[in-house]
Amino acid sequence: QSVLTQPPSVSGAPGQRVTISCTGGSPDIGAGYNVHWYQHLPGAAPKLLIYGNNNRPSGVPDRFSGSKSGTSASLAITGLQAEDEADYYCQSHDSSLIGSRVFGTGTKVTVL
Amino acid sequence: QLQLQQSGPGLVKPSETLSLTCTVSGGSIISTTHYWGWIRRPPGKGLEWIGLMYHGGSTYYNPSLRGRVALSVDTSKNQFSLSLSSVTAADTAVYYCARDTVAYYMDVWGKGITVTVSS
Repeated sequence: QSVLTQPPSVSGAPGQRVTISCTGGSPDIGAGYNVHWYQHLPGAAPKLLIYGNNNRPSGVPDRFSGSKSGTSASLAITGLQAEDEADYYCQSHDSSLIGSRVFGTGTKVTVL
Repeated sequence: QLQLQQSGPGLVKPSETLSLTCTVSGGSIISTTHYWGWIRRPPGKGLEWIGLMYHGGSTYYNPSLRGRVALSVDTSKNQFSLSLSSVTAADTAVYYCARDTVAYYMDVWGKGITVTVSS
């Protein structure tokens, strides 16, 4: 199964902007499949943050935004807040495996 | 609104079979636009997709687990289940059930259940 690569960690001060990259390949993001993002707070269920590359579910603040280009995608958090400290995962589909889902390696966001 | 609740033993012995059930409330498991899936997160590691199924019975599995994993559905109880055989310590994780969509993302998640594999 394909792998989506994310940086292990990013950090920023409150109010700053941070970005998380998600690099895939030709079977997944490069094949045109959408990228989705999840926020995973300690002890909680993962939460859908962005779907279809750049769409926010109801209730997700507009501080969170997504983009996709080529074989990569990015999640941006603007106006970083203490409550944003969590693990973030990108996710897509691997076209070499029918029905599959593939997660990124995960990024820990630390608010300094 | 739709809620998912995992249930099952929190401790499984090595070589035995892990069995978990996800009960769906606030909506029907019979849906033409949704699948039902399982994901896990081992301690210190990231999320790992296990597999998903359609209420009609079609199943799709992570190839790294193929041969050990099986998903099933009981539409009369609005439940779907995970069975993972021949478990080892590497299967210790928090297991989540989730509603999956035809657009390839998971929009509703259960709170998770911790399963430890140990003798």
